[in-house]
Amino acid sequence: SQQGEEDPQALSIQEGENATMNCSYKTSINNLQWYRQNSGRGLVHLILIRSNEREKHSGRLRVTLDTSKKSSSLLITASRAADTASYFCVPTDSWGKLQFGAGTQVVVTP
Amino acid sequence: DAGVTQSPTHLIKTRGQQVTLRCSPKSGHDTVSWYQQALGQGPQFIFQYYEEEERQRGNFPDRFSGHQFPNYSSELNVNALLLGDSALYLCASSLESGDSYNEQFFGPGTRLTVL
Repeated sequence: SQQGEEDPQALSIQEGENATMNCSYKTSINNLQWYRQNSGRGLVHLILIRSNEREKHSGRLRVTLDTSKKSSSLLITASRAADTASYFCVPTDSWGKLQFGAGTQVVVTP
Repeated sequence: DAGVTQSPTHLIKTRGQQVTLRCSPKSGHDTVSWYQQALGQGPQFIFQYYEEEERQRGNFPDRFSGHQFPNYSSELNVNALLLGDSALYLCASSLESGDSYNEQFFGPGTRLTVL
């Protein structure tokens, strides 16, 4: 397994704005997952996109995957204060262990 | 339906001591993974247990050991504690399906401080 590298390291936005963060990885994958971690709800799985998918939506979340560029993006639309958290991308090439990078720290201010 | 639970919530130990952390998986899950998360970093994989055996292991020394019980609950043991072992320890459970992806559900973690 490999870990993703999130960019930017930190992001500060106002409520209602969109937040975009990117992820790069190095080798081929079966799928890529995004996780969110905040003090209130811990580490939570947000969305999984498989290697044969290019885009996936879940509520206010939109994830894209470009396997040719080995990159993914997570867009949060109409952000809320509750979206304040660290976001991690986890590229997965086999079952089992998940390897996390340092994440993107998002702060949403009212 | 209870999610993943961990105990204790917080723990303070002294260098050289030993510690045991406990995890109960989500109902119906049979696989438990342990992660260490240092402040400001992402979680790092320690090991995974399935059918009471260690199935995969990350880059952690032998001071870190574990166990899985017949009811699928698990323990993480750390011997000869170092200051650098201070971290949030997360347990995750999943259901082995034979697929390449089994979603892992994380517990709230145990915050270990080594003085």
